[in-house]
Amino acid sequence: GAVVSQHPSRVICKSGTSVKIECRSLDFQATTMFWYRQFPKQSLMLMATSNEGSKATYEQGVEKDKFLINHASLTLSTLTVTSAHPEDSSFYICSGTSQETQYFGPGTRLLVL
Amino acid sequence: GEDVEQSLFLSVREGDSSVINCTYTDSSSTYLYWYKQEPGAGLQLLTYIFSNMDMKQDQRLTVLLNKKDKHLSLRIADTQTGDSAIYFCAESPGSSNTGKLIFGQGTTLQVKP
Repeated sequence: GAVVSQHPSRVICKSGTSVKIECRSLDFQATTMFWYRQFPKQSLMLMATSNEGSKATYEQGVEKDKFLINHASLTLSTLTVTSAHPEDSSFYICSGTSQETQYFGPGTRLLVL
Repeated sequence: GEDVEQSLFLSVREGDSSVINCTYTDSSSTYLYWYKQEPGAGLQLLTYIFSNMDMKQDQRLTVLLNKKDKHLSLRIADTQTGDSAIYFCAESPGSSNTGKLIFGQGTTLQVKP
């Protein structure tokens, strides 16, 4: 199957700082990628749809100015958590579509102190 | 709205069959998926089924779809301790596969030796 990577796998930051998470499709081109958030022992919640070369589409309740998404190439989407707060601590997972199937990255665990 | 429901926990003995159930609300969903998540890891696609199919078998995995009742199940034959994980059911809402997925809460499968 197709491979999606994320970097970093784990990050700890101080409140008020910004953190960038990268999502790469390694062996396919993804015009669309998706960003999900998962709280402990809970399901994945779709945050936004990242579209190559255009603005991301955010789900209801997700602040677009707080979670900045950039999809500058067919293999890379980035999610920047701006002015992070402890409540932003979570597991962030991206996915890309290849042959009508979603492939997920390994996730990035963010801890905001 | 779109909603996917799963039971939260299932415990079986090694060698038994496991059946994980899922219900969904969007009758126009084209694809339905089963993903596996091991602790601290991303999601692994196990299998998927098109909405015009009733059953799909892939080695130890059997997916049954009752479109009338909007019920999906995953049967794992000869369950092994390595099958212990969280299993997510997901639907791709709408009649076209946009890649957006709606996930259930996840079923934690515990396999006892």
